[in-house]
Amino acid sequence: DGGITQSPKYLFRKEGQNVTLSCEQNLNHDAMYWYRQDPGQGLRLIYYSQIVNDFQKGDIAEGYSVSREKKESFPLTVTSAQKNPTAFYLCASSIEPVNEKLFFGSGTQLSVL
Amino acid sequence: GENVEQHPSTLSVQEGDSAVIKCTYSDSASNYFPWYKQELGKGPQLIIDIRSNVGEKKDQRIAVTLNKTAKHFSLHITETQPEDSAVYFCAASIHSNDYKLSFGAGTTVTVRA
Repeated sequence: DGGITQSPKYLFRKEGQNVTLSCEQNLNHDAMYWYRQDPGQGLRLIYYSQIVNDFQKGDIAEGYSVSREKKESFPLTVTSAQKNPTAFYLCASSIEPVNEKLFFGSGTQLSVL
Repeated sequence: GENVEQHPSTLSVQEGDSAVIKCTYSDSASNYFPWYKQELGKGPQLIIDIRSNVGEKKDQRIAVTLNKTAKHFSLHITETQPEDSAVYFCAASIHSNDYKLSFGAGTTVTVRA
C-alpha cells in the first residue's frame, strides 16, 4: 500500500537530548512537510522540502533541523534548543512542490521526561 | 501573513442532523481552501477543497461554500453519522511558488447516537 509512515508512534525525550522522528513515503511525491500540532491549535509548519537536497524553514523552525537526502525520506530532529518539544508531530507530502492536497502520516507523540 | 479563524471549537449534533463549521481568512489573495478531517490518533485527511473561482462544491453528504467578498468559507455535513465524529480543520492558501498554507484551530465534532 502507498502511504506515509511515521515512526515511532510515541517518543520520550530527556533534558538536553536530541531526538529524531522518522518520515518515509512511497507515494513518489516531490514535496514533504513537518507540522507541529498542539491541543486546541491549528497545525503549524516547521520545515518543508520541495525537492531532494533542499528545504526551507516554516513558521516555527527554531530548535528543529531536517534533511532531505532521499526523495522518500524527510527526518526531523528535535534538538535540545527546543525548550517546549512536547507535541504531536505530523509529516505530510504532496505530489507537487506547492501546498495542495497534503497526505499526512499518523503522527508521532513526543513527550519530555 | 494569513490568519484563519475557525468556529465553533466544539460541536455536538444528534445523528441525522446537519453540522456547519465556519472559517474566516484575512488575506484576500488566498485562493485555495481545503478541509481536513482528523480521527483520533491519526493524521488529517483531505475531505474536500474549493478554489476561489467556485462558490460551492459538494461531495455526497459534505459541501463547502465560499464567500470571497466576506472572506469566509463553511463546511456543511448533512445527515450526520457516528463516523463523522472527528476534528475538522479548515485551511487557506495562496497558490504560488512559495509555500503558504494556514490552518484554523480545529473543530471537534461529536455525533450523538
